[in-house]
Amino acid sequence: DTGVSQNPRHKITKRGQNVTFRCDPISEHNRLYWYRQTLGQGPEFLTYFQNEAQLEKSRLLSDRFSAERPKGSFSTLEIQRTEQGDSAMYLCASSPRTLRRETQYFGPGTRLLVL
Amino acid sequence: SQQGEEDPQALSIQEGENATMNCSYKTSINNLQWYRQNSGRGLVHLILIRSNEREKHSGRLRVTLDTSKKSSSLLITASRAADTASYFCATDPRGGSEKLVFGKGTKLTVNP
Repeated sequence: DTGVSQNPRHKITKRGQNVTFRCDPISEHNRLYWYRQTLGQGPEFLTYFQNEAQLEKSRLLSDRFSAERPKGSFSTLEIQRTEQGDSAMYLCASSPRTLRRETQYFGPGTRLLVL
Repeated sequence: SQQGEEDPQALSIQEGENATMNCSYKTSINNLQWYRQNSGRGLVHLILIRSNEREKHSGRLRVTLDTSKKSSSLLITASRAADTASYFCATDPRGGSEKLVFGKGTKLTVNP
């Protein structure tokens, strides 16, 4: 069991640049989630996939943010025209498909710093 | 917006003592989960308690849930320096959404 992996672990970019993060969920998990966490706060939900379908998006996910999960495996989160306010830890989580709500297993996160 | 609220915001204890953290939330839930986060790292799942459960144990952890008061507590017994971390409660609200709603966390420091 390799757990949820995220790449890169750290990203420094200049304001206005585009960045893309990748998440590889636990292999048998069909649910995948993205969260954002700023300093001193708990994670906040961004979006959710079941297989390749993006079923839920937060109001936090502005037009500059886009997430994909082609083929229902790994997922990417892209931020276009980054702003300093986008600086945060971006966390990915996955959970298995069962009849009941189950634990979400988190990856190590990608820390983004926008200069 | 964040639903859960942990109390206290920070807690400092000596190794060997017990640590109790509380969480209050606002809406009906399917379950409540506790996570640990070491500084600057990802979240580690500790325990999940469902809305029809009142108490759950896992090793040195004991979690209670009172749905009538919309509150939960996490007790860590015989704390160790390695337990130093931030602890978050996360609720899975009823209503169809798949998201977890986190509080701001309790920062626990265990002094050796």
